[in-house]
Amino acid sequence: NAGVTQTPKFRVLKTGQSMTLLCAQDMNHEYMYWYRQDPGMGLRLIHYSVGEGTTAKGEVPDGYNVSRLKKQNFLLGLESAAPSQTSVYFCASRNRGQLNTEAFFGQGTRLTVV
Amino acid sequence: AQSVTQPDIHITVSEGASLELRCNYSYGATPYLFWYVQSPGQGLQLLLKYFSGDTLVQGIKGFEAEFKRSQSSFNLRKPSVHWSDAAEYFCAVARWGATNKLIFGTGTLLAVQP
Repeated sequence: NAGVTQTPKFRVLKTGQSMTLLCAQDMNHEYMYWYRQDPGMGLRLIHYSVGEGTTAKGEVPDGYNVSRLKKQNFLLGLESAAPSQTSVYFCASRNRGQLNTEAFFGQGTRLTVV
Repeated sequence: AQSVTQPDIHITVSEGASLELRCNYSYGATPYLFWYVQSPGQGLQLLLKYFSGDTLVQGIKGFEAEFKRSQSSFNLRKPSVHWSDAAEYFCAVARWGATNKLIFGTGTLLAVQP
């Protein structure tokens, strides 16, 4: 089982460049999440989606956009990267049908903006 | 709004000593509670979870946690720490079925002395 797969695993961007992070899950989960992890701040929710074609803002959405065109994929976009977006990004997914379940996480994408 | 507090940023224990990591949450009803562990450069691994029922839950790697509604706490414990337990530990709270968000604490970094 692949579970939650994030692409790419590492990336270095120059300030002002754009990029898209891809999260793919093969568990037919309805809910998907994007987090960023920074030292001393834990994981903070950027955006999330409760189903195909829907997205919602989390705690730190500024500077990011997301799309959920297909149920299995959740894309995180940086239109104009800034050094403050240097972080480790995690994607997660969860089954809507079960309340007594956890979210499943990908292995992370380490992004450096120079 | 839901929130999670992990008051200890760093903890150092000797190998073989007992461990307790603190977690307090803010939420109007009984939340779903989780503990995750992250080894350096790695992704998140679920240690244990609480949804309802018995307030003492057992997890992997010999960890347990106790839910105390009166104190809004979900502390993680281990009776005897091993050097391989050195990692960062995150407490998280979810409001599945309501906001559908999973909110993390800022983490506790555990060091284990020989």
